Amino acid sequence: GAGVSQSPSNKVTEKGKDVELRCDPISGHTALYWYRQSLGQGLEFLIYFQGNSAPDKSGLPSDRFSAERTGGSVSTLTIQRTQQEDSAVYLCASSFRLAGGNEQYFGPGTRLTVT
Amino acid sequence: AQKITQTQPGMFVQEKEAVTLDCTYDTSDQSYGLFWYKQPSSGEMIFLIYQGSYDEQNATEGRYSLNFQKARKSANLVISASQLGDSAMYFCAMREDVREIYNQGGKLIFGQGTELSVKP
Repeated sequence: GAGVSQSPSNKVTEKGKDVELRCDPISGHTALYWYRQSLGQGLEFLIYFQGNSAPDKSGLPSDRFSAERTGGSVSTLTIQRTQQEDSAVYLCASSFRLAGGNEQYFGPGTRLTVT
Repeated sequence: AQKITQTQPGMFVQEKEAVTLDCTYDTSDQSYGLFWYKQPSSGEMIFLIYQGSYDEQNATEGRYSLNFQKARKSANLVISASQLGDSAMYFCAMREDVREIYNQGGKLIFGQGTELSVKP
């Protein structure tokens, strides 16, 4: 079956512009996670969804970041008024459910470069 | 606060030899999970192995085994018979306990990673 897909794979944007990053999880996976990987900060959690609700947004770096999930499937991470420090690889992961030893399957990531 | 520490930024191993990648963790949770992921230069995160905090036996998956020492809070990855294709970044991660009433959804907390290079 298909894995987690993300689009675009690469995005170059000018400082101050808004960007949308998309994640398509594995079919049937109820849990969806967003992470960010940058040189200075390593891999850090941003937000997770259980179904369409996002109980834990604690990792979002600022109010310029938001995310939504519709139909219990596709999720969009939006960054408004991008800054250079937003440059990173944004990774999405999904798992069958929250608990147990269910591993999180990662997508290939979106590399965001803010110039 | 939960924390994962990988103290080896880079490791070299000769092809066909075994190598151990270190990982220590800190948590006050009784229930947690420990994962190892491989990230080759392509950037994809590949799941390797999982160990639950209540599992009494060390996890094994093919050439990968996890040396779990709960009292020491360590979860080292052992790769046997290294192959050239094993060259990659390796991340140890801890999954927080899932407590939905506290909005804890099992996010992963990652270490800084170890870059493994396999020499022919």
